[in-house]
Amino acid sequence: NAGVTQTPKFQVLKTGQSMTLQCAQDMNHEYMSWYRQDPGMGLRLIHYSVGAGITDQGEVPNGYNVSRSTTEDFPLRLLSAAPSQTSVYFCASRRDSGGDTQYFGPGTRLTVL
Amino acid sequence: ILNVEQSPQSLHVQEGDSTNFTCSFPSSNFYALHWYRWETAKSPEALFVMTLNGDEKKKGRISATLNTKEGYSYLYIKGSQPEDSATYLCAFRTGTASKLTFGTGTRLQVTL
Repeated sequence: NAGVTQTPKFQVLKTGQSMTLQCAQDMNHEYMSWYRQDPGMGLRLIHYSVGAGITDQGEVPNGYNVSRSTTEDFPLRLLSAAPSQTSVYFCASRRDSGGDTQYFGPGTRLTVL
Repeated sequence: ILNVEQSPQSLHVQEGDSTNFTCSFPSSNFYALHWYRWETAKSPEALFVMTLNGDEKKKGRISATLNTKEGYSYLYIKGSQPEDSATYLCAFRTGTASKLTFGTGTRLQVTL
């Protein structure tokens, strides 16, 4: 199993550009989520999904869109990048039950100029 | 917004010291409490998932306890080693939502 994979590892964007961060998992997990990590703020939830076709907002959803057309993939779209979106982005997945471990991808470091 | 608090924010110990951290969470509607270890420039790695009041989990020199009635969990590291240096995160899940809410972590540095 590859686990949770994310691409790209690094990205630099100009203000106003759009892009998609890719996330995939091969563990047949129902639950997938996107977090951003900023200094002093810990991990903040952007969007999450409890299964294909179902998504919901987390704490900081503004400026981001998600979709879940398959169990495996959960892409995060930045509609019009802003410098405030400079961050490290982590995708995670787990089975949707209380006692199951959540696995994180390696992260994408995004800089918006 | 759920409030998950971790203390202390950071800790500096010497090799061989034992140490512990606290995670506080709302005591109502508890479902699960997760602990993660997060090394710099890597992604968080799961240590424990705890679901029952009174749960105790152990992995090598690291152990954790859970008190859901009063809303806290302790993480203990016995005989700290430099490779234990990392940020330790806890995350809380309620019974009515699938999402995890993370604390801001305790940053541990172990020196020789």
